[in-house]
Amino acid sequence: GENVEQHPSTLSVQEGDSAVIKCTYSDSASNYFPWYKQELGKGPQLIIDIRSNVGEKKDQRIAVTLNKTAKHFSLHITETQPEDSAVYFCAASVKTSYDKVIFGPGTSLSVIP
Amino acid sequence: DTGVSQDPRHKITKRGQNVTFRCDPISEHNRLYWYRQTLGQGPEFLTYFQNEAQLEKSRLLSDRFSAERPKGSFSTLEIQRTEQGDSAMYLCASSLDGGMRPQHFGDGTRLSIL
Repeated sequence: GENVEQHPSTLSVQEGDSAVIKCTYSDSASNYFPWYKQELGKGPQLIIDIRSNVGEKKDQRIAVTLNKTAKHFSLHITETQPEDSAVYFCAASVKTSYDKVIFGPGTSLSVIP
Repeated sequence: DTGVSQDPRHKITKRGQNVTFRCDPISEHNRLYWYRQTLGQGPEFLTYFQNEAQLEKSRLLSDRFSAERPKGSFSTLEIQRTEQGDSAMYLCASSLDGGMRPQHFGDGTRLSIL
């Protein structure tokens, strides 16, 4: 069945360093890849998304890259700040329903001041 | 835009009881989704509405679970005869119609079964 894997499961970085989270997906028909940030006690918040006709997208300190051939996509956060500490989820659309996405298991990011 | 609202935020109940959760989506969004999230996992899809029509249900949605969206606005998720394994965060999300649009989540209802 459809599957999204995410690595690493935990990540600690020094404030100001970069953080990279990597995901792979199984459904070659996936064409939409959102990333969510979830803080303790809150629901997931969309931070950036990318569609399959684009290889890279940036929004200030956040960038996402997509390699459709390898079925990989990654989230890059530069100049990390303590408020970036949260759990990050990648997701991929599923061909059985254009509006359905499958989430990865999450990466817990800690930014050390 | 007041965001997706869920009520209650927390629910503690005894095993065997019925519980009902409510979700109010962003007002102009006609698509509504329910997810379940357990500790250390990503959200798992439960069901999806377009307006008042329930278009897809996950295998996770056993016959003890029922969801409704009677007027195409708010939605309710009911769990009958709750079991220990139902303890989780139940998340609601909504999106606009027309192609793949981002889903906006509420802050969830945390269910604890005693």
